Amino acid sequence: GAVVSQHPSRVICKSGTSVKIECRSLDFQATTMFWYRQFPKQSLMLMATSNEGSKATYEQGVEKDKFLINHASLTLSTLTVTSAHPEDSSFYICSARDGGQRGAAFFGQGTRLTVV
Amino acid sequence: AQTVTQSQPEMSVQEAETVTLSCTYDTSESNYYLFWYKQPPSRQMILVIRQEAYKQQNATENRFSVNFQKAAKSFSLKISDSQLGDTAMYFCAFMGSGNTGKLIFGQGTTLQVKP
Repeated sequence: GAVVSQHPSRVICKSGTSVKIECRSLDFQATTMFWYRQFPKQSLMLMATSNEGSKATYEQGVEKDKFLINHASLTLSTLTVTSAHPEDSSFYICSARDGGQRGAAFFGQGTRLTVV
Repeated sequence: AQTVTQSQPEMSVQEAETVTLSCTYDTSESNYYLFWYKQPPSRQMILVIRQEAYKQQNATENRFSVNFQKAAKSFSLKISDSQLGDTAMYFCAFMGSGNTGKLIFGQGTTLQVKP
């Protein structure tokens, strides 16, 4: 299958600071990537759709000014959590669809964010 | 709006036995994709199996197979000869006909394989 790499895998930051998470498609181009949030033992909740060269589309209830998304190239999307607070602590996962894999979406390793 | 429902929060199975995980979904679309993903303790999401709705034949991948009932909107996963490494959370997921890669997930089923 296609490979999606997410970095960092773990990050601890102080309250009020910003954190950037990168999502790269390593062996295919992705015009669209997706960012999910997952709480322990729960399902994945779609936060936003990242579109290469245009603005991201956010799901209802997700603050676009807090979760900044940039998709500057066909292989890289970034999620920046701005002015992080302890309630932003969570597991963030990105995914991208590989058109050559019959429509399947592939996931990065995830990032565990802890805000202290 | 599409929804995906997994009604079994937790299941367990003895090693080498067979287990079936249930999934139902709701959609008004006629062409779509269905997936099962595995999330082991590492939390890496791994694609287990996929099914295109226009295909009547049930997908199989080694020990994993599905029972796709389009009229009933049911998509169950059967794991044969269960192995300890199958212990994980399993998510059923729906992708609409736009095939953009956007997935709608069920609540997940935690599967424990016992030695």
